[in-house]
Amino acid sequence: QVTLTESGPALVKPTQTLTLTCRFSGFSLRTSGMRMIWIRQPPGKALEWLARVDWDDAKFYSTSLETRLTISKDTSKNQVVLTMTNMHPADTGTYYCARTPNLSGFDYWGQGILVTVSS
Amino acid sequence: QSVLTQPPSVSGAPGQRVTISCSGSTSNIGAGYDVNWYQQIPGTAPKLLIYDNKNRPSGVPDRFSGSKSGTSASLAITGLQGEDEADYYCQSYDISLSVEVFGGGTKLTVL
Repeated sequence: QVTLTESGPALVKPTQTLTLTCRFSGFSLRTSGMRMIWIRQPPGKALEWLARVDWDDAKFYSTSLETRLTISKDTSKNQVVLTMTNMHPADTGTYYCARTPNLSGFDYWGQGILVTVSS
Repeated sequence: QSVLTQPPSVSGAPGQRVTISCSGSTSNIGAGYDVNWYQQIPGTAPKLLIYDNKNRPSGVPDRFSGSKSGTSASLAITGLQGEDEADYYCQSYDISLSVEVFGGGTKLTVL
């Protein structure tokens, strides 16, 4: 079955770089049309799309955050990594990875990882 | 604010029908891009409820339905149940931003 699991630090200091890993199973990111997305949700607020990497290694970023974000994939390890530089308390929230085959909705999500930015 | 606009909250009594609107523009919904809907129960990850405007993934009850017209879309829930109390988000693609976008979310309260 399809599973996605996010991992990374629960606490980062302001100005530090956050690195999150999404490990998945039950499908391959080599499959044509498969895409992986990172989404975040500040406490009590709405979902925010962050970045996407496609099966062909195309990459897309939120226009408001693109200078701080890098997404990459390792198909041999079945994982996707998101880095976000210069973390700020406003970046506190739950970070999710999800997949979308052919852009028809994000059909599987990880459980999310809560990241707190505080000194 | 969000690119897609949703009402902050809706409510209804058990058994009733409620609708949640999602208003976009000619850069997203109005440009022909499909709308997807997600249900998020507090403390859990969102769940895909409707994809490609009106299709239900396997396991989603037919009490949930979606529609799209012009620059807007709607999610309808009939036969409201207590377990439907959650946050609902619409999502589409925006050609001017070249990324997927979400609505601001709607909190459904079952009275």
